[in-house]
Order: sequence, then C-alpha cells, then structure tokens
Amino acid sequence: GEDVEQSLFLSVREGDSSVINCTYTDSSSTYLYWYKQEPGAGLQLLTYIFSNMDMKQDQRLTVLLNKKDKHLSLRIADTQTGDSAIYFCAERIEGTYKYIFGTGTRLKVLA
Amino acid sequence: ETGVTQTPRHLVMGMTNKKSLKCEQHLGHNAMYWYKQSAKKPLELMFVYSLEERVENNSVPSRFSPECPNSSHLFLHLHTLQPEDSALYLCASSHAPGVGETQYFGPGTRLLVL
Repeated sequence: GEDVEQSLFLSVREGDSSVINCTYTDSSSTYLYWYKQEPGAGLQLLTYIFSNMDMKQDQRLTVLLNKKDKHLSLRIADTQTGDSAIYFCAERIEGTYKYIFGTGTRLKVLA
Repeated sequence: ETGVTQTPRHLVMGMTNKKSLKCEQHLGHNAMYWYKQSAKKPLELMFVYSLEERVENNSVPSRFSPECPNSSHLFLHLHTLQPEDSALYLCASSHAPGVGETQYFGPGTRLLVL
C-alpha cells in the first residue's frame, strides 16, 4: 500500500544544517513535496521535485531524491529559530488527485 | 483576498449540533480537498472535488457531508459528530493532474466536539 514515513523529531543548533528524511513506498509517484506547518497554521508548500530529478536547490533548501531507494531528504542550510516547525513529506500518485503525507518531523532549533 | 481561506478558524460543538465549515480559494484552481489532521497521525484525505464533481471519497462516515457548489467554494457539513472527530480540518486546492502539480492549503478549522 501507499505509505510515507518520517522520523518524528529533529533538534539542531542555530546556524547548523538540518536534514529531514523521508521514505515512501509507491513507485508511481510523480511529484514529491515538502511542506512546513507552524503552530496554529495550515501547511505551507516549501518546495517540490519531479520524480525524474535527483536534486533541486532553492535558496537555503536542498532536496535530494534517491528514486531507487525511495528516499527523499530536505536540507536546510544555516537553520534559524524561525525554521522551527513540523515538516511534512508528501507524494502525489501519478494521474490522480491523491496526495499521501507522512506523519511530519518536528524540527526544533536551539539558539 | 488571496490563496485559500477557511472559516471559522475555531469551532466548538456538541454531539447533537449541526454546523458547516467553509473553504474558498482564489487561485483559479479546479480541484478542492478536505483533509483531517489529528495528533500523531498522517494527514487523512477525506474528499476531493474536481469541477464540482466528487472524485475521491475515502470511507468517511456519513456524519461528514461535503458540498462543492462551484470550483471556488467547498463546504463540509457536520452533524451528530463524535468526540474523536475533534481535529484540525484543512482545505486545499490544486489544478488537475497534468495541469499543475502543487497543492495549496488553507489555515484550517480547529474543531472540538464535546
């Protein structure tokens, strides 16, 4: 079945890099996404990657995709206290309206 | 207004009440979604509408009744809910598959059922 898994917590010091990992099971996914959720808010789209790409960089964010291992990661360079939030990995099943989300990784940035 | 808006932002209701959640998108999308977000569980897709037709219905109890009168508005009608229905209900919108690949979310309605 379709499943997306993430570790629950990550703690880093301000200024360090954060790496949030995600694994997924469905090989027919076309796009993979990272969303950020701050307390009391909805999900904010951070970035996404097409499944035939290996890497995408967008300012402080770097997405790496290993399609063979079905592994996706989000690297945040120079992590700031404002990056503290829950980060969700998601995949879109090809040709459908179906998005499968992970349980989210809570990132805590220590000053 | 821009993006996806939801009202109310917070709702407390008894198990015998009837209430409705409203979602509106200003992005020109033609697909709209309802998700349920409960603590420590993945986001659960409830319903998807494309061009006002329901295209996904994920075994949601009948006490939740969606309505999509046009491509910009989506409602979730609630009646005789249970305490375990307390959650954050998120609305989202997107283009159809193959047209646009990003989904945008509203801020959510925090629902508490007593």
